[in-house]
Amino acid sequence: DQQVKQNSPSLSVQEGRISILNCDYTNSMFDYFLWYKKYPAEGPTFLISISSIKDKNEDGRFTVFLNKSAKHLSLHIVPSQPGDSAVYFCAASRETSGSRLTFGEGTQLTVNP
Amino acid sequence: DADVTQTPRNRITKTGKRIMLECSQTKGHDRMYWYRQDPGLGLRLIYYSFDVKDINKGEISDGYSVSRQAQAKFSLSLESAIPNQTALYFCATSDGGLAGVPAFFGPGTRLTVL
Repeated sequence: DQQVKQNSPSLSVQEGRISILNCDYTNSMFDYFLWYKKYPAEGPTFLISISSIKDKNEDGRFTVFLNKSAKHLSLHIVPSQPGDSAVYFCAASRETSGSRLTFGEGTQLTVNP
Repeated sequence: DADVTQTPRNRITKTGKRIMLECSQTKGHDRMYWYRQDPGLGLRLIYYSFDVKDINKGEISDGYSVSRQAQAKFSLSLESAIPNQTALYFCATSDGGLAGVPAFFGPGTRLTVL
């Protein structure tokens, strides 16, 4: 039962363009959502998060959008840079879950120069 | 120096062997986690600890045990390794911010069980 799904295993975009990574979830009890970025041979690093009381959170070139009715979130990167090439994981948690995270499968983003 | 370190970084072992993966952190965080990553499945929680005296099972704890030797150290053991425990293992820490979810990950241990 995959409660958090990233349906696109990979995404390729040109430098300077927008990258949009998508994530869907099935558990309506999730109330906190995060994106992590992972480079090869390194652990994931926290990128940006959003609480279910918001529908948008912005941090520099990164913006996360949350559509609770559709159980969908997306990460926008504008403008995309070659250094953004990495695997991106979305993750979700419930406040009452003891900080457990449920991760999606990941999307490999490649930004071409 | 890295804030969260894992040893070993790579390990090949045989079925039935006991193996320990170690995690150390210099961040002073109380919360520590062990995850495994399998291709196409994302990361799954094995065990987590909110302090030295608090150990909790995650979603896939069967076949694993942990020890929180100190605030800074959290070890994962496979008492009798089996091939389907071949995976990439990550240790993580949290200071309780970000709604308490893990924010800092180690570089991972790639374990192969033959």
